[in-house]
Amino acid sequence: TAGITQAPTSQILAAGRSMTLRCTQDMRHNAMYWYRQDLGLGLRLIHYSNTAGTTGKGEVPDGYSVSRANTDDFPLTLASAVPSQTSVYFCASSVSGITDTQYFGPGTRLTVL
Amino acid sequence: GQNIDQPTEMTATEGAIVQINCTYQTSGFNGLFWYQQHAGEAPTFLSYNVLDGLEEKGRFSSFLSRSKGYSYLLLKELQMKDSASYLCAVMDSNYQLIWGAGTKLIIKP
Repeated sequence: TAGITQAPTSQILAAGRSMTLRCTQDMRHNAMYWYRQDLGLGLRLIHYSNTAGTTGKGEVPDGYSVSRANTDDFPLTLASAVPSQTSVYFCASSVSGITDTQYFGPGTRLTVL
Repeated sequence: GQNIDQPTEMTATEGAIVQINCTYQTSGFNGLFWYQQHAGEAPTFLSYNVLDGLEEKGRFSSFLSRSKGYSYLLLKELQMKDSASYLCAVMDSNYQLIWGAGTKLIIKP
């Protein structure tokens, strides 16, 4: 069982370039999330989607956009990367957007130079 | 503002017991989660508490006191594989998870 997959595993990106981080889940979960994790800080929510066709902003949405065209996929796009977006990005999903356990993908390590 | 506090790092001995504390101040409360995260890996779910009291699950137990804004994770019979970061997260009134920075647990033989 794959669960949640993310691609790429890691990436070095020049500042100003755009990039899409991919996230796919095969658990038919309704809710999906994008977090960033930085040293010394807790996971911070970037964007979320409670169901296909809807998205919402989290704590740190600036510089990022998402779409949810179907249940399985939830890509995160950086339109014009900046060095402060260097981080580890985790995608997660849960059965619903309420008090369900969130399951995490393996993460994407992004370095913006 | 919303805040989750955990110790940054703790050290314990293999076979011993360790308690990792978490205090929180959030806008509303819809449950508290503990996750384990090994270095370089994704967080994995350990426990969920929404009512006061102790929840036991094998070697791991989690306690919640909503009136005190306090939880702890208790790990018994420590094994080397328990070396990891332990993340406390509270679901607020908007059903969003607020995460602590995590406690890095180092197990020594």
